[in-house]
Amino acid sequence: QKEVEQNSGPLSVPEGAIASLNCTYSDRGSQSFFWYRQYSGKSPELIMSIYSNGDKEDGRFTAQLNKASQYVSLLIRDSQPSDSATYLCAVKRSRGNTPLVFGKGTRLSVIA
Amino acid sequence: GAVVSQHPSRVICKSGTSVKIECRSLDFQATTMFWYRQFPKKSLMLMATSNEGSKATYEQGVEKDKFLINHASLTLSTLTVTSAHPEDSSFYICSASRLRGSYNEQFFGPGTRLTVL
Repeated sequence: QKEVEQNSGPLSVPEGAIASLNCTYSDRGSQSFFWYRQYSGKSPELIMSIYSNGDKEDGRFTAQLNKASQYVSLLIRDSQPSDSATYLCAVKRSRGNTPLVFGKGTRLSVIA
Repeated sequence: GAVVSQHPSRVICKSGTSVKIECRSLDFQATTMFWYRQFPKKSLMLMATSNEGSKATYEQGVEKDKFLINHASLTLSTLTVTSAHPEDSSFYICSASRLRGSYNEQFFGPGTRLTVL
């Protein structure tokens, strides 16, 4: 398996601020990129997927992909205490039914 | 997002017994499902890839005779932990792959917390 790297954190941001989560991957052939949110004791929840270079926005979330730099990020605008969770970056080599390769996750803490 | 269910959500069993965990895709058909295990404060670890109608593909170090996987239909995969021991106590999570456009996305079930006494 190829590596997906994330800063483990914790990343602490004040309520209302922008949280920026970063991820790098080593497999240059990767085609599919995902961000999952995992609350303590719960299973991961898919919040964003991105497949082409550039930005993709969905509500307060923006995913950014730069394949040349092998870098994918997630921005959370107007952070809320309920956003406090571990954010998992996941990468897949294909578009199809192949396993995801997960990073170890970044723990985000939004302070009220 | 797509809905994936798991049953049971929590199970406590005695050492030496077998435990079956069911994973269902409720609103879509999933030709491929994945089984993961997660120990406290650790990363998700892929155990196996389950394909409907064929044998599962196990990751290195996962005993296929201990963790039996059956994917008999497009909406159901089961994981049976045979002769469970305390070291098998963990959070077991399945995911199902759904086609969206020309890409497949994985959606996770809520997980099953197994405690072996």
